[in-house]
Amino acid sequence: DIQMTQSPSSLSASVGDRVSITCRASQYVSSYLSWYQQKPGKAPKLLIYAASSLQSGVPSRFSGSGSGTDFTLTISSLQPEDFAAYYCQQSYIVPWTFGQGTKVEIK
Amino acid sequence: EVQLVESGGGLIQPGRSLRLSCAASGFTFDDYAMHWVRQTPGKGLEWVSGIGWNSNYKAYADSVKGRFTISRDNAKNSVYLQMNSLRVEDTALYFCAKDMSIAVAATPFDFWGQGTLVTVSS
Repeated sequence: DIQMTQSPSSLSASVGDRVSITCRASQYVSSYLSWYQQKPGKAPKLLIYAASSLQSGVPSRFSGSGSGTDFTLTISSLQPEDFAAYYCQQSYIVPWTFGQGTKVEIK
Repeated sequence: EVQLVESGGGLIQPGRSLRLSCAASGFTFDDYAMHWVRQTPGKGLEWVSGIGWNSNYKAYADSVKGRFTISRDNAKNSVYLQMNSLRVEDTALYFCAKDMSIAVAATPFDFWGQGTLVTVSS
């Protein structure tokens, strides 16, 4: 199975900060990489797919980049509603696998 | 509005069986593949199984292969997960998720239900 490793596992940031989360795949996944946001008690929400495509309705402050094995999710200016957990997921090879998550907390 | 509503979770003893259901609305159900994903505090998110639009293709995680069976009824806009020989480690919140595409292919899950909790314990 392809292992997805996110870093950091958690981070503290302030409203307005630029935040980046990285995701590394244990083998090549092309651009078949998605990012999800999950708030406590809620289902995950798709933010980015195909490494850099913004899902409909998602604010443009979210962006994704990368290909192959290394990917980044960037939030250009952190808003109060962005404090949540973020997960990457590869859909290149079955079984689809997720990163362990990055928790973004308020500083 | 897309809605996915899971049901069927509960407390069950190891070795027993349980069937989860997911009722879908707000989209043309038989135009999309569907999946089950589970979440635990310890192991995070784990994809469990996926099924293509016409049930021709089904895929499973190794951890459930041979014990779980995914199925769908397009006339009822529903997808199911039959879970047999349940183990303590199957304890999780089980989400139903809609694929962005018709097949179990290289596409993500664009809508998720709120989940149904399965607890396997004696």
